[in-house]
Amino acid sequence: QVQLVQSGADEVKEPGASVKVSCKASGYIFTDYGISWLRQAPGQGPEWVGWISAFNGDTHSAQTFQGKVTLTTDTSTTTAYMELRSLTVDDTATYFCARDPYYGSGTYYKPHYFDYWGQGTLVTVSS
Amino acid sequence: SALTQPASVSGSPGQSITISCTGTSDDIGGYNYVSWYQQHPGKAPRLMIYDVSNRPTGSSNRFSASKSGNTATLTISGLQPEDDADYYCASYTSSSSPLYVFGSGTKVTVL
Repeated sequence: QVQLVQSGADEVKEPGASVKVSCKASGYIFTDYGISWLRQAPGQGPEWVGWISAFNGDTHSAQTFQGKVTLTTDTSTTTAYMELRSLTVDDTATYFCARDPYYGSGTYYKPHYFDYWGQGTLVTVSS
Repeated sequence: SALTQPASVSGSPGQSITISCTGTSDDIGGYNYVSWYQQHPGKAPRLMIYDVSNRPTGSSNRFSASKSGNTATLTISGLQPEDDADYYCASYTSSSSPLYVFGSGTKVTVL
């Protein structure tokens, strides 16, 4: 069965620091899909962060996160990574990875939906 | 900007409820890329409907959805206790970044 398992421990970071969250995929052909990352601040709805194709490594991120987020994959271990830099208290949220059915060119990326989600990783930014 | 949903909807077991989701011609009205997610407290969202009205494998047929103009609607029939959760609509948007926007969320309470 399809599973996305995120790095288990919750993270506590100081403002200005970076965090890297991992997402181990199993139960499907990793390179036939993309991975999107989303976050959800306490009491808020989800927010889309960005997408990476596991097939060709193309990425697309929301303008809010451009220059702040790096998305990568390791096809040998079927793992996706999200690194978020220059953290502020506003980055405090639960971060989710999710399987994205689109894996083609980033030029034509139009997110439709995310069918399987990781369990989430809480990132708390506090001094 | 976020899609607009009612803050809360309630119903008794066995009843049917509907949740509306209003956007613009840049998102819901312009594309058939509307999806609906269910989220229980402390859990990840779960896809219930994609591309306006399609149910993924494993999603109950008590959930159905449609779209008219700039408004999408989720219907839950035969309400059950496990349907008590938050529901979010979402859509691709061509207006600006981000490419994917969520609704404000609706808390469904099973009385």
